Amino acid sequence: EVQLVESGGGLVQPGGSLRLSCAASGFTVSSNYMSWVRQAPGKGLEWVSVIYSGGNTYYADSVQGRFTISRDNSKNTLYLQMYSLRAEDTAVYYCAREVAYGSGIDYWGQGTLVTVSS
Amino acid sequence: QSALTQPASVSGSPGQSITISCTGTSSDVGGYNFVSWYQQHPGKAPKLMIYEVSNRPSGVSNRFSGSKSGNTASLTISGLQAEDEADYYCSSYTTTSTQVFGGGTKLTVL
Repeated sequence: EVQLVESGGGLVQPGGSLRLSCAASGFTVSSNYMSWVRQAPGKGLEWVSVIYSGGNTYYADSVQGRFTISRDNSKNTLYLQMYSLRAEDTAVYYCAREVAYGSGIDYWGQGTLVTVSS
Repeated sequence: QSALTQPASVSGSPGQSITISCTGTSSDVGGYNFVSWYQQHPGKAPKLMIYEVSNRPSGVSNRFSGSKSGNTASLTISGLQAEDEADYYCSSYTTTSTQVFGGGTKLTVL
């Protein structure tokens, strides 16, 4: 059974850092397209970043230069390292899987809440 | 990376059909057949309903269908049911290998 379990969310001050983790089971992270998608409270979905099976990474303009997506193949885990956090980064962060380019996100984690506030 | 444009809300009565539009540009919706649609109930993670413009994943009702013309994609739900009431989001790949979502549409079943 495919499962994605996020962790690492919490309260952080503006300018601070946080690392989110997404432990996957039932499939191999490195063989899929893995994304982070966020949703601010009461707002819509916002795509954040993707790491392709080949290792290429891409970011939304809003997080470019501040966030880094990576994976640990030995742990079958996806990460999102977040620096220079801002109030507008407050959101539920979902880990998500696509089997192939453009195939749609077929599995989502339950989400982890990141709150940026002083 | 501007968000795709969706109507904020649509409504319909049980048994009726509704269509949700999703308008982008030639750099996203119009440039690729990689448009997906997601359903999200309150407090839940999104669920994939349509991928590659018009394909349904296994297990999704055939009451859901997708199409595209130019820079606008559409999701049609026929035979509306109470459980269809949810938020719906479109998404598309872009020419810069990123993805972009629509602002979301709240479907109310009257």
